[in-house]
Amino acid sequence: SQQGEEDPQALSIQEGENATMNCSYKTSINNLQWYRQNSGRGLVHLILIRSNEREKHSGRLRVTLDTSKKSSSLLITASRAADTASYFCATDASDMRFGAGTRLTVKP
Amino acid sequence: GAVVSQHPSWVICKSGTSVKIECRSLDFQATTMFWYRQFPKQSLMLMATSNEGSKATYEQGVEKDKFLINHASLTLSTLTVTSAHPEDSSFYICSARSGISDEQFFGPGTRLTVL
Repeated sequence: SQQGEEDPQALSIQEGENATMNCSYKTSINNLQWYRQNSGRGLVHLILIRSNEREKHSGRLRVTLDTSKKSSSLLITASRAADTASYFCATDASDMRFGAGTRLTVKP
Repeated sequence: GAVVSQHPSWVICKSGTSVKIECRSLDFQATTMFWYRQFPKQSLMLMATSNEGSKATYEQGVEKDKFLINHASLTLSTLTVTSAHPEDSSFYICSARSGISDEQFFGPGTRLTVL
């Protein structure tokens, strides 16, 4: 079964704009990870945030985690057309379970 | 980082045949391996979890007699889709958890098409 929900399900923005995706989950976790997937391809690991962390940055990515609300957000700043993909959060307890995903389209 | 390979990367088969997919952890020992399935435009769904030398644990709704999992060693797990039907066509992704770092790494996936 899936761990939780992501919103929005789909997001379309112009190049240069920021994209924010949210993820909610249901159970206790050790960490939460964000992945990217281009159509028909494998997963690309983006960033991991541990349960005792609140915010993490990696390049143009910023991830927040609120364990009290069981939610996380992924912010992509200054988006590029190449950022077009599906983005998934995955919670890690003893196994990893994925959210429903957000399909991001960045228009040039 | 750690590498997980899958073979084959894609396979096309006739309805009623069985297909085996291999998953290997190339540079680490995996205490636990996982199999996921992803239908078009959907997320990854965990199918089963297997520990080396033990029977796999299947998620609710996944038929254990149809999806046979063998975790023969700390670096190899296989998924056999028995008597495949067109509705089994999907993207199958394996994952391996390192016994040392406890991190989980994903394979590149196998696309199965059943005609």
